[in-house]
Amino acid sequence: EAGVTQFPSHSVIEKGQTVTLRCDPISGHDNLYWYRRVMGKEIKFLLHFVKESKQDESGMPNNRFLAERTGGTYSTLKVQPAELEDSGVYFCASSQVYNEQFFGPGTRLTVL
Amino acid sequence: KQEVTQIPAALSVPEGENLVLNCSFTDSAIYNLQWFRQDPGKGLTSLLLIQSSQREQTSGRLNASLDKSSGRSTLYIAASQPGDSATYLCAVRDSNYQLIWGAGTKLIIKP
Repeated sequence: EAGVTQFPSHSVIEKGQTVTLRCDPISGHDNLYWYRRVMGKEIKFLLHFVKESKQDESGMPNNRFLAERTGGTYSTLKVQPAELEDSGVYFCASSQVYNEQFFGPGTRLTVL
Repeated sequence: KQEVTQIPAALSVPEGENLVLNCSFTDSAIYNLQWFRQDPGKGLTSLLLIQSSQREQTSGRLNASLDKSSGRSTLYIAASQPGDSATYLCAVRDSNYQLIWGAGTKLIIKP
């Protein structure tokens, strides 16, 4: 069974540009989560989807971040426009019901 | 507001030793607690999941305990090996289904 996959693995963009991160959860997992770790800080929750609905987006830092999960399968996280403080590693996780979360390898975002 | 603390921040021990990593949390109203490992430049690998009703979980040389009332969990690694070198993270799941994370313990096992 394939695990959680994320694309791209690395992204380097300039301040003001737009970047879209993608996450493909484990097949059959209705719950999908986004987290991020910025330099020197703990991993922080961003948002949680149940199927295509946003269950909790309390961790989204501001309206430059937009997450979607059309059709309840893969999810995208768009940052527009990117700022320097958005640099970090963005992790996606999925779970069956509300149990153990399985993580993808992460996308390392660098904003110059 | 739930806060998770991991002590120590870094640990270096000789190969073969048994060791304990600590995780504490401020709010005992958790649903479960997960221990993860992260290798440099890699993703997060789930090691053990302890439900709030459980006291411990074991997988191979790893044993995780949970004392909800005191807000503590420990990860015990037996007979450490150089391949155990990594950053170990604990995270608690709250009522909103979010994982709240500690900063991690960086473990180095010296051959």
